[in-house]
Amino acid sequence: GAGVSQSPSNKVTEKGKDVELRCDPISGHTALYWYRQSLGQGLEFLIYFQGNSAPDKSGLPSDRFSAERTGGSVSTLTIQRTQQEDSAVYLCASSLLAYDTQYFGPGTRLTVL
Amino acid sequence: SQQGEEDPQALSIQEGENATMNCSYKTSINNLQWYRQNSGRGLVHLILIRSNEREKHSGRLRVTLDTSKKSSSLLITASRAADTASYFCATVLDTGRRALTFGSGTRLQVQP
Repeated sequence: GAGVSQSPSNKVTEKGKDVELRCDPISGHTALYWYRQSLGQGLEFLIYFQGNSAPDKSGLPSDRFSAERTGGSVSTLTIQRTQQEDSAVYLCASSLLAYDTQYFGPGTRLTVL
Repeated sequence: SQQGEEDPQALSIQEGENATMNCSYKTSINNLQWYRQNSGRGLVHLILIRSNEREKHSGRLRVTLDTSKKSSSLLITASRAADTASYFCATVLDTGRRALTFGSGTRLQVQP
């Protein structure tokens, strides 16, 4: 496929469990971004990867959130000890270079019971 | 607070009419991007306009940027029912963070 893909599309988990969300960016894109969208907070930035540079983690809301990008391609966002306020749609985007158009995946809807 | 704020928050028009949405931001930007979102899921990119550009067109879409006023507008001409969606402006700062900072969005309803 030519677009950004994310998995799973939906995830329901119990409070306190860990979850992993996956993002496959467009092939060749050097930049990868994670955002989340929730009713109360709108669309907010979480973390940004650019090539081999250290990621910009300034948007992560707590130390329960972490992300990695392996081999400059696939990225995994991990949320440990999930809380109900973590319920949101988690969106991944990629761009060819920084300052370019960002293309979004379909998102993962996370529900924490 | 959000870098981009949109106006109006909601807009309802008849099919065939034009729809104009406005976006204001606070700090110097590298570019501004407009997105459409249906049903609260995937964001579809519409147009990117750079800080040295004043106007761009794409089909029925026209975007303007006024960096002196720190504002942008999105015009959809000859609207269709299928244009019903939420529209977001998002900015990329000129320095520092390169991720998008989103506005709160405009909910457009096009009545057939």
